[in-house]
Amino acid sequence: SQQGEEDPQALSIQEGENATMNCSYKTSINNLQWYRQNSGRGLVHLILIRSNEREKHSGRLRVTLDTSKKSSSLLITASRAADTASYFCATDALGYSTLTFGKGTMLLVSP
Amino acid sequence: EAGVVQSPRYKIIEKKQPVAFWCNPISGHNTLYWYRQNLGQGPELLIRYENEEAVDDSQLPKDRFSAERLKGVDSTLKIQPAELGDSAVYLCASSLGDRVYYNEQFFGPGTRLTVL
Repeated sequence: SQQGEEDPQALSIQEGENATMNCSYKTSINNLQWYRQNSGRGLVHLILIRSNEREKHSGRLRVTLDTSKKSSSLLITASRAADTASYFCATDALGYSTLTFGKGTMLLVSP
Repeated sequence: EAGVVQSPRYKIIEKKQPVAFWCNPISGHNTLYWYRQNLGQGPELLIRYENEEAVDDSQLPKDRFSAERLKGVDSTLKIQPAELGDSAVYLCASSLGDRVYYNEQFFGPGTRLTVL
């Protein structure tokens, strides 16, 4: 079963625009991670945010976590065509040591 | 540093045939995972190893799937016999396995299995 649910399922933007995707989950977590998957590089870890953190930045990425709403968002600023990929959130639930992935958001960035 | 290595990259077989996938994790990574990813879905865990011990195989269909990690390094996932519904990408991942601060997972390129 998949705990995380990304929204939207698909997103199409122009280069230079910002892209925001959301993730909702069901149970309490230790941390939440975002991964990117494209045909060239496979599934790659982007960023991890722990349950006691509210916001985290990495380059053009900004992740927020609201544990009271059981939701997270990933913001990609100044998007590039190379950002075209599927983005997955993955949760590490309390008491478990495995990740549960959502279905992903497919992002298309047009030049 | 070499990443997670998987072979083969692609496999096409007839239903009821056996198939095996091999994974070599990043050196020093104690934890190894096998996932299955269906088209349009996220990866779903099949089995997790801590060294040579399978510590979570609750999602592994044990009637036809088996896995081993004999020396705590590389691992093999087998399906026998394969069914049409097994067509998917099989991903291997590894991590340092730090239980206090959960580490990121590093994924291999996957094996795309097609069962005809």
